[in-house]
Amino acid sequence: EVQLVESGGGLIQPGGSLRLSCVASGFSVDSKYMSWVRQALGKGPEWVSFLYSGGASYYADSVKGRFTISRDNSKNTIYLQMSSLRAEDTAVYYCGSSPSQQHVMDWGQGTLVTVSS
Amino acid sequence: SYVLTQPPSVSVAPGQTARITCGGNNIGGKSVAWYQQKPGQAPVLVIYYDSDRPSGIPERISASNSGNTATLTISRVEAGDEADYYCQVWVDTSDHVVFGGGTRLTVL
Repeated sequence: EVQLVESGGGLIQPGGSLRLSCVASGFSVDSKYMSWVRQALGKGPEWVSFLYSGGASYYADSVKGRFTISRDNSKNTIYLQMSSLRAEDTAVYYCGSSPSQQHVMDWGQGTLVTVSS
Repeated sequence: SYVLTQPPSVSVAPGQTARITCGGNNIGGKSVAWYQQKPGQAPVLVIYYDSDRPSGIPERISASNSGNTATLTISRVEAGDEADYYCQVWVDTSDHVVFGGGTRLTVL
């Protein structure tokens, strides 16, 4: 059974940095397309980043240059390093996995990031 | 950038059929996914590759995609179907993912 568990969220001041983690079980993170999707309160989901099984990474324009997705195969974990955080980055961040980049098959429960002074 | 347009809300009586549309430029040429999200929960994939259902999703939920509109159809609507529904595509020219704005399905 696929399971994704996010952690690392919290309250952070504008301009600060935070690293989110997503521990996967039931599969290897280097065998699937891994993604981060965020959702602000009362809004729809917004795609943030993809990490392809081959290692290529892609980012939404709103986070490009500030966020970095990576993985540690030995820990079966993917990360989202977030820097230069802004108030508009406040959201629940979900980790996702899929055998295809065309959809997100499985989702974690999410971790809340609040950017505020 | 590619835009997906959904109606904000759809209402239907129990036992009837709900149809939720998702408009996009030549969306029929893309692969559409649909997600169901209930309050306080993560989204759940209910349709992928335009019309395939993941295991555990009832056959009452179906979808089609052609031209400039994709449609999610929920037959014999139940109270438990009340949720927000989002369409989503992958834009191959930019390797970006786009979500629609969402449709709240209300069961009267």
